[in-house]
Amino acid sequence: EVQLVESGGGLVQPGGSLRLSCSASGFAFSSFAMHWVRQAPGKGLEYVSGISHNGGSTYYADSVQGRFITSRDNSKSTLYLQMASLRGEDTATYFCAKEHSPITSAFDSWGHGTLITVS
Amino acid sequence: QSALTQPPSVSGSPGQSVTISCTGTTRDVGGYNYVSWYQQHSGKAPKLIIYGVTKRPSGVPDRFSGSKSGNTASLTISGLQPDDDADYYCCSYGGDNTWRLFGTGTKVTVL
Repeated sequence: EVQLVESGGGLVQPGGSLRLSCSASGFAFSSFAMHWVRQAPGKGLEYVSGISHNGGSTYYADSVQGRFITSRDNSKSTLYLQMASLRGEDTATYFCAKEHSPITSAFDSWGHGTLITVS
Repeated sequence: QSALTQPPSVSGSPGQSVTISCTGTTRDVGGYNYVSWYQQHSGKAPKLIIYGVTKRPSGVPDRFSGSKSGNTASLTISGLQPDDDADYYCCSYGGDNTWRLFGTGTKVTVL
């Protein structure tokens, strides 16, 4: 069974930094691209960042470009999101998501999410 | 990176059908057959219900179906059931410069 467990959320002051982790199990982590999606309280889903299966390619939404860095450690089956210069508008639940396959671009498994509050 | 456009809400009685639209551009929805749909119950993680415009993952009832015409994708829920009361989001690949775009989300209310 695929399991994705996020951790590292909490309360942080504006301008502060935080690192989220997503521990994966139940699948060949190193074979799949991984992604971060966030949801502000009462709002819709927003795609934040993605990383290819081997870490060779990354993508960031304009809203986080230059402030967030996504990385992965395939030896530990763990995805990371390093967040810096945090703003109030970054307050959200952050989900990690597994890519279904390179030819579908869908997210077939999601973590439960971790809440970041910037205040 | 504008979000894909969905209606804020749709509703229907049990047993009825509802359709949710998802409008993008030729750079995303219209340019690729990489539209997926997600169901999200309140306080829960999203769940994949449609991928590749029309395909259903194992375990998703065939009451859920997807289609696309031009720059607009659609999700149809047939035979509405109480558990279908949830938020629904479309998502599309947007090319190398915009890996993914989500829709604005639609609240489905089962009356």
